[in-house]
Amino acid sequence: DAKTTQPTSMDCAEGRAANLPCNHSTISGNEYVYWYRQIHSQGPQYIIHGLKNNETNEMASLIITEDRKSSTLILPHATLRDTAVYYCIVKGGSNYKLTFGKGTLLTVNP
Amino acid sequence: ETGVTQTPRHLVMGMTNKKSLKCEQHLGHNAMYWYKQSAKKPLELMFVYSLEERVENNSVPSRFSPECPNSSHLFLHLHTLQPEDSALYLCASSQDPTGRGTDTQYFGPGTRLTVL
Repeated sequence: DAKTTQPTSMDCAEGRAANLPCNHSTISGNEYVYWYRQIHSQGPQYIIHGLKNNETNEMASLIITEDRKSSTLILPHATLRDTAVYYCIVKGGSNYKLTFGKGTLLTVNP
Repeated sequence: ETGVTQTPRHLVMGMTNKKSLKCEQHLGHNAMYWYKQSAKKPLELMFVYSLEERVENNSVPSRFSPECPNSSHLFLHLHTLQPEDSALYLCASSQDPTGRGTDTQYFGPGTRLTVL
């Protein structure tokens, strides 16, 4: 699976949009971009995934660039409970493995 | 609540003990996973079961023994562990038994294991 690069940490004000970037320049055509988050010492929570089109669900929006080499996760109105480590993962083919990196620690401030 | 439950949530054991971790999924999924998350390290995939058959074992020591008696239950049997095995052990499940790219894994809350 392709490797991903994310900033180590980001801050966001409560009520504002949080935009979390991810680079995956070696992504292959059949690989999906997944986002999970993990609140301290809990299990990772699935947020959203996409192949090449932008996706939106009740939690977030996923914007994937046309060349698919990068993506942005958008939390439209961040709350204090959105403070967590956010993982961008590329998963493809018939590969069971989710390869978690270090992720981005998002801190939402009052 | 993701539909994946794990028990116990916390476990302290000695190096000579034998214990088991239990995972149950209520999602009708066909694949189940064990992951390990050590302090300040990324999650590591340990085992994968698809349709109750083990399909991946990522070089995990034999002191960890998985069991999948049916598609809803997954166990991790532990014996003669070492202190460095202390970690958060996470169970996950997914729908597609082939693990295709679009197959989403849903995680349980984890078991925090401490080996003394």
